[in-house]
Amino acid sequence: AQKVTQAQTEISVVEKEDVTLDCVYETRDTTYYLFWYKQPPSGELVFLIRRNSFDEQNEISGRYSWNFQKSTSSFNFTITASQVVDSAVYFCALSEYEDSNYQLIWGAGTKLIIKP
Amino acid sequence: EAQVTQNPRYLITVTGKKLTVTCSQNMNHEYMSWYRQDPGLGLRQIYYSMNVEVTDKGDVPEGYKVSRKEKRNFPLILESPSPNQTSLYFCASSHRTGYQETQYFGPGTRLLVL
Repeated sequence: AQKVTQAQTEISVVEKEDVTLDCVYETRDTTYYLFWYKQPPSGELVFLIRRNSFDEQNEISGRYSWNFQKSTSSFNFTITASQVVDSAVYFCALSEYEDSNYQLIWGAGTKLIIKP
Repeated sequence: EAQVTQNPRYLITVTGKKLTVTCSQNMNHEYMSWYRQDPGLGLRQIYYSMNVEVTDKGDVPEGYKVSRKEKRNFPLILESPSPNQTSLYFCASSHRTGYQETQYFGPGTRLLVL
């Protein structure tokens, strides 16, 4: 069965430090998608990135970057020069189609605290 | 503005009193789904719908019903709510083109069942 593991329950860093959030996934499929979402204290879910299984290029968006490594089934998320506004819970998710059924499996989330 | 709306945003009810949480999207997406979020468990899928009149169970469907009579609406029905259904609920919609897909989430509905 597919699974998403975010081993870090909570991370606390001081502003301007770099921080990496880990995500490890399990799947039997060759075609799948990986996502990262942010959930700030206000509660809404904010889409950050989607990556399909055929695209292993790393991606950078401002202070955010993602490292997709198929060999280790990992899709890690790094925030460079963190800011207090980055404080949130971050979720990694895996989606795939199994027997024509769509499934989206979420990790338990990592709570990121950025201290001023 | 492209969006997913949910109503109500907050609801306190009592055990056994039927309730419906509405979900509507204005993006003409085929795919819609419901999730519940509980502390330490992340999001778990309740039901999803690939298109009108097509619905299927997710990971935790017990105690819930859904319907998809129109493309834009996907209500979540709790026929006889119980305290273990106290949770934060999210509705989502998406459109898939080849390998491109992004889920858009509603703002969430906080439900307390006494």
